[in-house]
Amino acid sequence: EAEVAQSPRYKITEKSQAVAFWCDPISGHATLYWYRQILGQGPELLVQFQDESVVDDSQLPKDRFSAERLKGVDSTLKIQPAELGDSAMYLCASSSPRTALSSYNEQFFGPGTRLTVL
Amino acid sequence: LAKTTQPISMDSYEGQEVNITCSHNNIATNDYITWYQQFPSQGPRFIIQGYKTKVTNEVASLFIPADRKSSTLSLPRVSLSDTAVYYCLVGDQLAGNKLTFGGGTRVLVKP
Repeated sequence: EAEVAQSPRYKITEKSQAVAFWCDPISGHATLYWYRQILGQGPELLVQFQDESVVDDSQLPKDRFSAERLKGVDSTLKIQPAELGDSAMYLCASSSPRTALSSYNEQFFGPGTRLTVL
Repeated sequence: LAKTTQPISMDSYEGQEVNITCSHNNIATNDYITWYQQFPSQGPRFIIQGYKTKVTNEVASLFIPADRKSSTLSLPRVSLSDTAVYYCLVGDQLAGNKLTFGGGTRVLVKP
């Protein structure tokens, strides 16, 4: 079964350092999402891509966070500089367009990258 | 987006049926109701989705009354492996498929 791949699975860094996370969505999925999940809370959407274009980054802290999906396939989320409050799980998800047979384009999540900022 | 309210936590025992009710008083005409499951250290996983009445799949059932202001996820005969957080989401299928997660319901299944 196809899965969303993310790396690294765990990252420990010191504040003010730069970190980057990578996501490879399910093949053929045009829509890619990055979420942040703080311990004990639900995931929060940071950015949504349709192919290589950003369609929603309203919750992305643009002063330190950036995301790209240059060729419309895999994606990178970067934080520079990292702050203590950035410690969280960063989840990537992908979905395919609705079809006549599906009323819902289910989002498929990867295993996430757990970031700890010291 | 419609806001949802669900219990913070629920305990159950193996073999019992677990019912989690979600309130969404401001649900809009185009909104669908979707439930996701999340195990520790994993990403959420889609369980079930519905618009009205009852939907059943191999994992769960979803009951939606006529006014659609609430919905109930039913997990039949739970096992220890059903211990997870369950999220109720309400959203417009046509609005870019944006998911807004609340705090979810932590279900603990005991032996």
